[in-house]
Amino acid sequence: NAGVTQTPKFRVLKTGQSMTLLCAQDMNHEYMYWYRQDPGMGLRLIHYSVGEGTTAKGEVPDGYNVSRLKKQNFLLGLESAAPSQTSVYFCASSIDRGYEQYFGPGTRLTVT
Amino acid sequence: GQSLEQPSEVTAVEGAIVQINCTYQTSGFYGLSWYQQHDGGAPTFLSYNALDGLEETGRFSSFLSRSDSYGYLLLQELQMKDSASYFCAVRGHSSGSARQLTFGSGTQLTVLP
Repeated sequence: NAGVTQTPKFRVLKTGQSMTLLCAQDMNHEYMYWYRQDPGMGLRLIHYSVGEGTTAKGEVPDGYNVSRLKKQNFLLGLESAAPSQTSVYFCASSIDRGYEQYFGPGTRLTVT
Repeated sequence: GQSLEQPSEVTAVEGAIVQINCTYQTSGFYGLSWYQQHDGGAPTFLSYNALDGLEETGRFSSFLSRSDSYGYLLLQELQMKDSASYFCAVRGHSSGSARQLTFGSGTQLTVLP
């Protein structure tokens, strides 16, 4: 089992460009999450999903959109990137309402 | 809303015992989790407490006191590989994120030889 994988691992964007981050899990988990982590800070929840076809806002959803068309995939989109979105993005999944979450390796995004 | 406080840095020597404290404020508390993250790596789950008391998993233990809104992670027989950041995370209820995890800012543990 690969667990949780994320694509890409690194990306540099210019302000205003768009991109999609892909998260995939092979554990048949219902719940999936997108977090961002900034230097010296904990993880902040952007959006999450409680099952295929569902999405919900987390703590810091502005500037991001998500989709969960298939149970195993959770996409995070940035429509118009801003320097404030420079961060490390982690995807996670869990069997139920997530006290034990499994994290992907992260995507390091820089917006110039 | 929810908030957590934990020390930003802790230093200890190999073989010692270290305790990382976490205090929290939340509405509708469901549990406290601990995660470990090595530099450049992904967070990994260590433990979870939903009820008061001590949970032991090998060299790591986690404690919770719901009446004090307080928990701690205890690491025994420290090894160099334990140098990492440790995050407490509370599972509570806040508008728009029912029962999801809110993470503290993390404690950087440095283990010295």
